[in-house]
Amino acid sequence: QVQLQQSGPGLVKPSQTLSLTCAISGDSVSSNSAAWNWIRQSPSRGLEWLGRTYYRSEWHNDYAVSVKSRITINADTSKNQFSLQLNSVTPEDTAVYYCARSRGYFSVWGQGTLVTVSS
Amino acid sequence: DIQMTQSPSSLSASVGDRVTITCRASQGLKNYLAWYQQKPGKVPELLIYDASTLQSGVPSRFSGSGSGIDFTLTISSLQPEDVAIYYCQKYDSAPLTFGGGTKVEIE
Repeated sequence: QVQLQQSGPGLVKPSQTLSLTCAISGDSVSSNSAAWNWIRQSPSRGLEWLGRTYYRSEWHNDYAVSVKSRITINADTSKNQFSLQLNSVTPEDTAVYYCARSRGYFSVWGQGTLVTVSS
Repeated sequence: DIQMTQSPSSLSASVGDRVTITCRASQGLKNYLAWYQQKPGKVPELLIYDASTLQSGVPSRFSGSGSGIDFTLTISSLQPEDVAIYYCQKYDSAPLTFGGGTKVEIE
């Protein structure tokens, strides 16, 4: 059974970097059939896919246009986890952030992390 | 990018009613469409993928149909535990966009 466990701070100051990690159990971040995603949810934006990383003989990333200039998603094969970094955050980045495994659709989700951007 | 439009945005129905939610894509998706259920305070859960395939463990009163541009999620007999927000999501290619959601309540 695949499980995802998120970790990271719940409060980030404006202009700083939001960093979250998602630890994987029951699957491999290097899987050739899965992708590893970050999604956020807020009342104003609804469910918003932010990006993904996946391995198909080499590593690939896709990012949403809305955050493309500020986002990095990395995989750590030694720890079997992946991470999200979102730079230069503003209060509009306040949301519940989820990691999720996909094979197109999102079949496994992390527990969610409420991240508040505030000084 | 392809936009996903759900309707209605909310509905209220009686226990036992048949409920239908629609999702329309701005371009064709073939059958690369999923539906999720999110109960209050909970993580979204996958209900249906490939437009009509029921995820393991999901009650058979849920069904999905459609291909191309127009898709439908049907609850054949609404139950109190079905109170939730329902979302569609496209996955033909990135970006993996969600619809705006449909809130389902009991009358």
